[in-house]
Amino acid sequence: IAGITQAPTSQILAAGRRMTLRCTQDMRHNAMYWYRQDLGLGLRLIHYSNTAGTTGKGEVPDGYSVSRANTDDFPLTLASAVPSQTSVYFCASSERGGPSSYNSPLHFGNGTRLTVT
Amino acid sequence: AQKITQTQPGMFVQEKEAVTLDCTYDTSDQSYGLFWYKQPSSGEMIFLIYQGSYDEQNATEGRYSLNFQKARKSANLVISASQLGDSAMYFCAMREGGMTTDSWGKLQFGAGTQVVVTP
Repeated sequence: IAGITQAPTSQILAAGRRMTLRCTQDMRHNAMYWYRQDLGLGLRLIHYSNTAGTTGKGEVPDGYSVSRANTDDFPLTLASAVPSQTSVYFCASSERGGPSSYNSPLHFGNGTRLTVT
Repeated sequence: AQKITQTQPGMFVQEKEAVTLDCTYDTSDQSYGLFWYKQPSSGEMIFLIYQGSYDEQNATEGRYSLNFQKARKSANLVISASQLGDSAMYFCAMREGGMTTDSWGKLQFGAGTQVVVTP
């Protein structure tokens, strides 16, 4: 089934540890995104990539990094996890990114529930 | 400033009835898209329906329709003939087609409306 695969589904992580959340899509979408969802704060964009080889910062990029070496994969790395990064992380993709993308819906993975202790 | 406003934190609706979820938005762009997503208790985000700023007809997808009033900047979701499986959080969202890199591609969400469908 075509879509977005995120791994792991959930993780408990000690503060200070490094962690990479994986995201793979098989829809050949150009653009990919990482959001975090927190109670009371909604969904906030962390980083995005409008096409392979490019990335950009969203609303809450501090403490996170991304790479986009190819079309399909968009991993999110927490270099040194802190408790405030406890959240549900969603990876998403859309057919287009950039200025022509306003009519291109995002499709989401099932999320990764991360707890930093 | 809040770009998407959903004023109803929660709603109860009886099975088989229709329900309208409110959404207002704020943008100065001429080109933009409006989206509705459903998030059931299992957590996944499901794309429901899309309305473009240039679309003259209201969007429909099965039991979902979007009541788009451009002058009032509102994009309300109507769910007809509610089913128990419609119980979920519903998010209104917008993508702007502006000329700043800040707005490109960013899907901005409202706070959501929790819908509970009762038998």
